[in-house]
Amino acid sequence: NAGVTQTPKFQVLKTGQSMTLQCAQDMNHNSMYWYRQDPGMGLRLIYYSASEGTTDKGEVPNGYNVSRLNKREFSLRLESAAPSQTSVYFCASSEVALSSYNSPLHFGNGTRLTVT
Amino acid sequence: LAKTTQPISMDSYEGQEVNITCSHNNIATNDYITWYQQFPSQGPRFIIQGYKTKVTNEVASLFIPADRKSSTLSLPRVSLSDTAVYYCLVGGSQEGYNKLIFGAGTRLAVHP
Repeated sequence: NAGVTQTPKFQVLKTGQSMTLQCAQDMNHNSMYWYRQDPGMGLRLIYYSASEGTTDKGEVPNGYNVSRLNKREFSLRLESAAPSQTSVYFCASSEVALSSYNSPLHFGNGTRLTVT
Repeated sequence: LAKTTQPISMDSYEGQEVNITCSHNNIATNDYITWYQQFPSQGPRFIIQGYKTKVTNEVASLFIPADRKSSTLSLPRVSLSDTAVYYCLVGGSQEGYNKLIFGAGTRLAVHP
């Protein structure tokens, strides 16, 4: 049981380039999330998908787009990368979105992105 | 939003019990308290969750006083492998995960 799988693990981009971060979960969870983590800081929510077919903005959505491709997959796209988007990106999933009770977040191991 | 306050860092030695306290003065009636652990180069991992009084699992205990304005994560007999960042989160009732906030967490260093 792989849990939440993120690809790639590392990526270096030049300013203005685009890329898509992939995330897949095999736990049949309804909800998926994208967070970013900057050095010494906690995680900030970029976008989330409460269920297949829906997506909503989180705390820091500017410069990003997402696609909930199906129940398993949730991708994050940077259309025109900027140095401020250098960060570690984590994908997570949970069984239910509207209540945290008995529905903890399961995280992948992150994608380390550097934009030069 | 239920904001949380935790110590930035803590130090301990192998075999000791570690207690990390989190303050959440404006916790809502239906909010739960959840703790996550994060090792370097990994995503956070769920440790324990509670609503009131005491919860215990194979990893930790969570103590919540009657007023629920704070909570304490207790790690018994820590080892070097418990060195990590610990996050306290409050919420997830009616507002959903878009309102859950990860603060900077508590960096626990366990020494030999």
